[in-house]
Amino acid sequence: DIQMTQSPSTLSASVGDRVTITCRASQRISHWLAWYQQKPGQAPKLLMYEPSKLQRGVPSRFSGSGSGTEFTLTINGLQSEDFATYYCQQYNSFPLTFGGGTLVEIK
Amino acid sequence: QITLRESGPTLVRPTQTLTLTCTFSGFSLNSHGVGVGWIRQPPGKAVEWLAHIYWDDDKRYSPSVASRLTIAKDTSRNQVFLSLRNMDPVDTATYFCVSGMRFFDSWGQGTPVIVSS
Repeated sequence: DIQMTQSPSTLSASVGDRVTITCRASQRISHWLAWYQQKPGQAPKLLMYEPSKLQRGVPSRFSGSGSGTEFTLTINGLQSEDFATYYCQQYNSFPLTFGGGTLVEIK
Repeated sequence: QITLRESGPTLVRPTQTLTLTCTFSGFSLNSHGVGVGWIRQPPGKAVEWLAHIYWDDDKRYSPSVASRLTIAKDTSRNQVFLSLRNMDPVDTATYFCVSGMRFFDSWGQGTPVIVSS
């Protein structure tokens, strides 16, 4: 199985900050990576895939990059509605696996 | 517009079999390149992919549950089923139905399942 490791596990930030979350794969996954946002009591929501393609309806302050084993999700100008947990997911091979999540909380 | 809705029991006894149904709309599981799957999330923990079924009836399972899990579809009713045998308290989680081939662009709201005697 491909292990996905996210860092940090928790991130404290303020509205307007630039925030970066890292996701590392235990083996090369090319560009087959997606990012999700989950708010309390809700299902996760797809943000990005491949990993720089923005899902429709997602604000352009979200961006993704990386290939191989290291990937990043960046939020430029954090908004109040962005405080949530973020997950990366590899889809290079089965079993499909997720990272452990990064909680972005209010500083 | 794609919608997915999970249904099934909230409480299951240990050793019993959990059967969940995903009823979806906005797409057909008869169409090439379509997949529906199940993902779960234990309370306070990360999400975990369980299984997927595709338009051509290809099925994929997570090794962690493969020996206990069956996924099936009824394309005429736009439904996908999950059957998880020999339930254990560690299977307590919210179970989500998702659409997408390998990443998940639509999710159901999730259904909580508690395993307890």
